[in-house]
Amino acid sequence: DAGVIQSPRHEVTEMGQEVTLRCKPISGHNSLFWYRQTMMRGLELLIYFNNNVPIDDSGMPEDRFSAKMPNASFSTLKIQPSEPRDSAVYFCASTADRGSTDTQYFGPGTRLTVL
Amino acid sequence: AQSVTQLDSQVPVFEEAPVELRCNYSSSVSVYLFWYVQYPNQGLQLLLKYLSGSTLVKGINGFEAEFNKSQTSFHLRKPSVHISDTAEYFCAVSESGYSTLTFGKGTMLLVSP
Repeated sequence: DAGVIQSPRHEVTEMGQEVTLRCKPISGHNSLFWYRQTMMRGLELLIYFNNNVPIDDSGMPEDRFSAKMPNASFSTLKIQPSEPRDSAVYFCASTADRGSTDTQYFGPGTRLTVL
Repeated sequence: AQSVTQLDSQVPVFEEAPVELRCNYSSSVSVYLFWYVQYPNQGLQLLLKYLSGSTLVKGINGFEAEFNKSQTSFHLRKPSVHISDTAEYFCAVSESGYSTLTFGKGTMLLVSP
């Protein structure tokens, strides 16, 4: 299995630009999570999908952030407009089920730098 | 609400020495506990998890952790570390009935020769 795939691995953009991060979960997994990792705040859950439906988006920082999961094999996280404080590593993770005992499998992350 | 505290942000040790990384949690209900490891420029991967049963849990790469309900702790241990164990280690908790994890801030384990 290829594991969770994220693209791009690195993104450098200028303030005000739109940024789209992409994630392909492990085939057969039906829960998907987006996290943001920074030195100051650690690892924060942004949004969680189950069977392509957003279940908990309470971690999405503000309206500039949006996430979609149009099908079981693809999700996007969009930031519009981007700001320097959005610079972070963004991880996507998936699990086989929605149980609280399930192992989350993480992608390699996208390192976003907003100038 | 659940929370996780990792008391040490950085732990330096020499190769072949034992190590313990500390984790305390707070929750009002039954919990499941996890340790994840993040190697440089990679995503997190599961080391071990406690769901129920024996309080001593063995994981990959020779790591183990012990669940102590009275002290609300889940400390990670390894009797002899290698240079390759240099990484950041995250403790995480989930509550029964909820699918999301709450992570601690992480502990950077630095192993030197």
